[in-house]
Amino acid sequence: SAVISQKPSRDICQRGTSLTIQCQVDSQVTMMFWYRQQPGQSLTLIATANQGSEATYESGFVIDKFPISRPNLTFSTLTVSNMSPEDSSIYLCSVQSPSYEQYFGPGTRLTVT
Amino acid sequence: AQSVTQLDSQVPVFEEAPVELRCNYSSSVSVYLFWYVQYPNQGLQLLLKYLSGSTLVKGINGFEAEFNKSQTSFHLRKPSVHISDTAEYFCAASSQGAQKLVFGQGTRLTINP
Repeated sequence: SAVISQKPSRDICQRGTSLTIQCQVDSQVTMMFWYRQQPGQSLTLIATANQGSEATYESGFVIDKFPISRPNLTFSTLTVSNMSPEDSSIYLCSVQSPSYEQYFGPGTRLTVT
Repeated sequence: AQSVTQLDSQVPVFEEAPVELRCNYSSSVSVYLFWYVQYPNQGLQLLLKYLSGSTLVKGINGFEAEFNKSQTSFHLRKPSVHISDTAEYFCAASSQGAQKLVFGQGTRLTINP
């Protein structure tokens, strides 16, 4: 199984600012995924990040709001831009193993005031 | 598009009682199915998965699930629950060949002494 770490674990940010979340994996992976979990709700996929190419965004999510970088096979960042209180969520990154299991990071709990 | 429905948002049970958490998926094509558990203030942990083969899948912590293609269901069961099983449980699906997961809405399992 993959070990995934995220930074920061939590943050409180002011409206209109941006926050960059880092995701580090202990092994090389082709694809990394970013999910959002709004308070009391399930997980929704934001985008898929493939090393060496632009991220693929799901319906309802756009690059200007959630820019993603994938500089190498073990690291990715997600930026939440121009934040509003509606962006208050847990953001999780994940990777998939060759046996189709997805492993998740511990999440970043974001509160926007 | 794939969708996953968890039929119960909350399930309260007494300790040592059996429990079943229900999950239905929509796709008529081949699908991979997963159950994840999220303990309070923690990330997601994979309980079990179904890719192919035997329809009864055993996972960690005494949980098992049965894949039923005709009913498009993948219900999670445990014969005797413990206080420590109190958590949110998520059913998820991905179409074969696709990596992204679609999650159900989650079921909050509460164990009463």
